[in-house]
This record gives sequence, C-alpha cells and structure tokens, in this order.
Amino acid sequence: SAVISQKPSRDICQRGTSLTIQCQVDSQVTMMFWYRQQPGQSLTLIATANQGSEATYESGFVIDKFPISRPNLTFSTLTVSNMSPEDSSIYLCSAGTGGTGELFFGEGSRLTVL
Amino acid sequence: KNEVEQSPQNLTAQEGEFITINCSYSVGISALHWLQQHPGGGIVSLFMLSSGKKKHGRLIATINIQEKHSSLHITASHPRDSAVYICAALYNNNDMRFGAGTRLTVKP
Repeated sequence: SAVISQKPSRDICQRGTSLTIQCQVDSQVTMMFWYRQQPGQSLTLIATANQGSEATYESGFVIDKFPISRPNLTFSTLTVSNMSPEDSSIYLCSAGTGGTGELFFGEGSRLTVL
Repeated sequence: KNEVEQSPQNLTAQEGEFITINCSYSVGISALHWLQQHPGGGIVSLFMLSSGKKKHGRLIATINIQEKHSSLHITASHPRDSAVYICAALYNNNDMRFGAGTRLTVKP
C-alpha cells in the first residue's frame, strides 16, 4: 500500500493569484494523477504526472493553467495559475503502482477563490 | 471514445438490504476501479478488477469483459456504507474515465 500526504488541505485565495498543491507518497510509485472534483460532481482527471517527462493533460486542461511537476517517484505538484472563482474546487492526487494497478488517494485540497 | 456510465445516480436503502451499483464502459480497458468517497471527502479504492470477481467482507465486485459491464454489490447493508461510490476505467492508453458516482444512503 501507499500513504499519500497532500497539502494544503484547504486554502482561500484571491482572484489572479496562483496556488501550488503538493502530493507526497511514502513509497516509489510509477503513476501519479491529478483530479478536480467540483461541488456535487464526480472526479475529473486533469493530467497524468510522468516522472522525467512532461505531464499528459486531458482534454480541457492545459499546461499554462495547470503546470505540473514530477521531480521524482515520490512527489508531484500541481499549480492552479491565475485563479478565478470558477477554479474553486477540490483537487486530489492519486498514485498507482504499475504492477498491481491499485490506486491510492490523497485527502484532497479544497480551494476557494474569491 | 472512452466513456463510463454508472447507475443509479442516487440510491436509498434500508439497513440489511442487498445493494447493486452498475458500471458500463467502452472497449479497451486494462482495469476497472471501484472507489468509495465518504462525506468528509476522502477516497478509498475498494477494488481493482481486470476480470472475474473479487470479495472483501460484505463487498463484492464483478466484471464481465464481454458485456463491458461491472457491478458492485453490498450485502447486509449498513448505515456506515452510506457514501458515494465511483467506478473508474483505466483504458489501455492510460486514459482514466470516471462514472458520475452513485450516492448511497442506507437508513437504519
């Protein structure tokens, strides 16, 4: 199994600013994913964070708005750039092992943009 | 196109009832996950399936590759099972798609 620490757990931000969310895994994992969950909605995959290469973004999400870093096999960051109230959401990371395919989730970061 | 359809959207049951949640997907998945999200927001992976059936306590997950369908069953449901259940399909191109979720409420 893997334990994922995600921070901040919540934040309130001003329009136009940027926030970086960190995701730390207690073991090396092959895959890390970032998601958004808007109020009352299911999860939407933002991107897959690849170690040693650029992240792979889903349709509707772009690197300029959601830059992602994956410097090693245990850590990733997601930045929400130039925020607007529409970015208010819960952002979650998950990690998966290529072998078993299990997924482990962080607790989520609840972002409110004023 | 990679899609996941989940039903029902909402489900209310009495304690002790047998519950089934369904998930349909497109061709080409490498694995299907069942996730549980409690009101506090934390998500737990219940099962990862690529074929057959898995059981953990009162939870059973099945997948039928030919019919492109998976089900999550809860036997002897309990109020603590109240949560949102989400199926997630991992496609062979590493694309992951989520069902809309099923909000389950089990009444005592």
